[in-house]
Amino acid sequence: EAGVAQSPRYKIIEKRQSVAFWCNPISGHATLYWYQQILGQGPKLLIQFQNNGVVDDSQLPKDRFSAERLKGVDSTLKIQPAKLEDSAVYLCASSPLAAYNEQFFGPGTRLTVL
Amino acid sequence: AQKVTQAQTEISVVEKEDVTLDCVYETRDTTYYLFWYKQPPSGELVFLIRRNSFDEQNEISGRYSWNFQKSTSSFNFTITASQVVDSAVYFCALGQAGTALIFGKGTTLSVSS
Repeated sequence: EAGVAQSPRYKIIEKRQSVAFWCNPISGHATLYWYQQILGQGPKLLIQFQNNGVVDDSQLPKDRFSAERLKGVDSTLKIQPAKLEDSAVYLCASSPLAAYNEQFFGPGTRLTVL
Repeated sequence: AQKVTQAQTEISVVEKEDVTLDCVYETRDTTYYLFWYKQPPSGELVFLIRRNSFDEQNEISGRYSWNFQKSTSSFNFTITASQVVDSAVYFCALGQAGTALIFGKGTTLSVSS
């Protein structure tokens, strides 16, 4: 079974530029999460989708971050404009709907904002 | 409020030593799940174990064992006879059914040969 795919793996941008990350969850997983992991800290939820709908985006900085999940499968996370403090690893995870199983994480995208 | 505390920031051991990683959690919910994840240098989070709040049985999987004690709100993780490949950052996490996980800050384990 293929795991959670993310791209790109690494991205370096200047502050005030925009950037987008892509995530393809495990086939059949209804729930998708985006987490932000700042160096030296644990991952923190940005947004949670269940199928196409947003379940929790309370910690998403909506003035600069946006996310969508089209057709309940792939998802993109965008930052516009980026700030220095957005430098982090962005992790995508998915889990099945029917029962509460562990979340399966992708390899992450490491973003550096200069 | 829910919270996970991993008081040990870094631990260094020599191969074959046993090591215990501590995790203390806070929640008002009666039903919850606790997790341990491993994050090797490659960066991907690897699931190790899930335990629900109604199951306080300790679990052993090879060199890994977990001790869950509701009375002290702790879910500690022990590696027996550590190996260099165990070097990684280990995260304890807390969640409810269908919700995002709340992670601790992680413990960096370094095992030297």
